[in-house]
Amino acid sequence: DAGVIQSPRHEVTEMGQEVTLRCKPISGHDYLFWYRQTMMRGLELLIYFNNNVPIDDSGMPEDRFSAKMPNASFSTLKIQPSEPRDSAVYFCASSSDISTDTQYFGPGTRLTVL
Amino acid sequence: DQQVKQNSPSLSVQEGRISILNCDYTNSMFDYFLWYKKYPAEGPTFLISISSIKDKNEDGRFTVFLNKSAKHLSLHIVPSQPGDSAVYFCAASDDGNQFYFGTGTSLTVIP
Repeated sequence: DAGVIQSPRHEVTEMGQEVTLRCKPISGHDYLFWYRQTMMRGLELLIYFNNNVPIDDSGMPEDRFSAKMPNASFSTLKIQPSEPRDSAVYFCASSSDISTDTQYFGPGTRLTVL
Repeated sequence: DQQVKQNSPSLSVQEGRISILNCDYTNSMFDYFLWYKKYPAEGPTFLISISSIKDKNEDGRFTVFLNKSAKHLSLHIVPSQPGDSAVYFCAASDDGNQFYFGTGTSLTVIP
């Protein structure tokens, strides 16, 4: 298995633009997590899905952020409009069993909003 | 391919004893390492870090050891407490910006 795949790996955009980050979880994993990492705040859980259904989105910073999982093999995290403070590395992770909490992280998308 | 590996998915330790969580990495360019602690249904929180110029960093009951030649780091918790029961992730970086995470080790401290 190729592991969790994220695209793009790097994204540079201007303030006000829409940004879409993509994630392909490991096949067979029922849980998908989106995280944001910054030097100031460390790793923050934004939202997680179980069987394509959002379970907890309390970590989503504000209405500019939205996440979808239209099928078991694809998820998007969208920021509209983007702001410079959104600059961070965004990780996607997937898991087959939330009770064990073993999670496989993707390589991350480095977002820079100018 | 996992560049950071935590080969023990779970660990059980008696309260008061030492907990040792292990992490191996493959990229010799990694020079900064972190440990995160995660409770169920919560996001991970930063626990402790170490840079490659050191081989040990201590913070209270938590000590991280780094063996660069073996590409191995470990987290020691002494003494272990029931509140330490959580999942522990290690992460590594070669530039301070891009981090690679292990899959986590679930620690259970038995009262």
